[in-house]
Amino acid sequence: NAGVMQNPRHLVRRRGQEARLRCSPMKGHSHVYWYRQLPEEGLKFMVYLQKENIIDESGMPKERFSAEFPKEGPSILRIQQVVRGDSAAYFCASSPRASDDTDTQYFGPGTRLTVL
Amino acid sequence: GNSVTQMEGPVTLSEEAFLTINCTYTATGYPSLFWYVQYPGEGLQLLLKATKADDKGSNKGFEATYRKETTSFHLEKGSVQVSDSAVYFCALTGGKLIFGQGTELSVKP
Repeated sequence: NAGVMQNPRHLVRRRGQEARLRCSPMKGHSHVYWYRQLPEEGLKFMVYLQKENIIDESGMPKERFSAEFPKEGPSILRIQQVVRGDSAAYFCASSPRASDDTDTQYFGPGTRLTVL
Repeated sequence: GNSVTQMEGPVTLSEEAFLTINCTYTATGYPSLFWYVQYPGEGLQLLLKATKADDKGSNKGFEATYRKETTSFHLEKGSVQVSDSAVYFCALTGGKLIFGQGTELSVKP
C-alpha cells in the first residue's frame, strides 16, 4: 500500500511565478491536510479538505494561496505570485476519515519550495 | 486555543544515554497526543500516540505517557542510538494537528 505521495519533491520558482504542489493521499483515504514548515520552525496547519470540499482553511494566508481536492486526481496547493517568504517545506497528510481523537494523519515526504 | 510546548534543543547525547524530551500542552477537551519524528530531508513519521489519559504509547524503545494532571506527554528512551538523531515533534489533535516547535536530537558515538 503506497504511502502519501507528493510531487515535485523540490520546486524552484522566481518571484511572481506560480507554484503548484500535488498530493495523492494513501489508498482509501479521503481526507487531506496541508502543513507548512518554515526554516527553523515547526509545522503549521494550512488547510483541511475532503473530496470537492474545503472543511477548514483557517491556516491559509488570505491572499495568493488556494487549495483543492477534486473528485478525481490529487489535491493541489496553489501559490500565485510567489515571494521569497513562501520558501518552505510543504507537507501533505491524509487520514481515512475525519481526524477525530482516534485517527492518525500520515505524512508525505514534502515539497521543498525555493523562491529566487 | 490549543497549544503545545516542547523543550528547546538541540539536545546532544552520547550513545546509550537516557533521553527525555519534555512536552506540555494546553487544550480544551481531551485531545489525542502524538510524537512524530523527522529525519533530515524527509517527511514526518508517526513514532507513537496516546488517545486518553494514562495511556502509554510506545514504539522502537520510545515511550510517552498521557498525563492529564500535569498536561504532559514527555518522550523517553532508555538507551539512544546514533540512528535516533532526528527532530522530534510533539503534537495534539482535535481535527487539525497542532505541533510543538520541534526538538533536534543529536546522538554521538
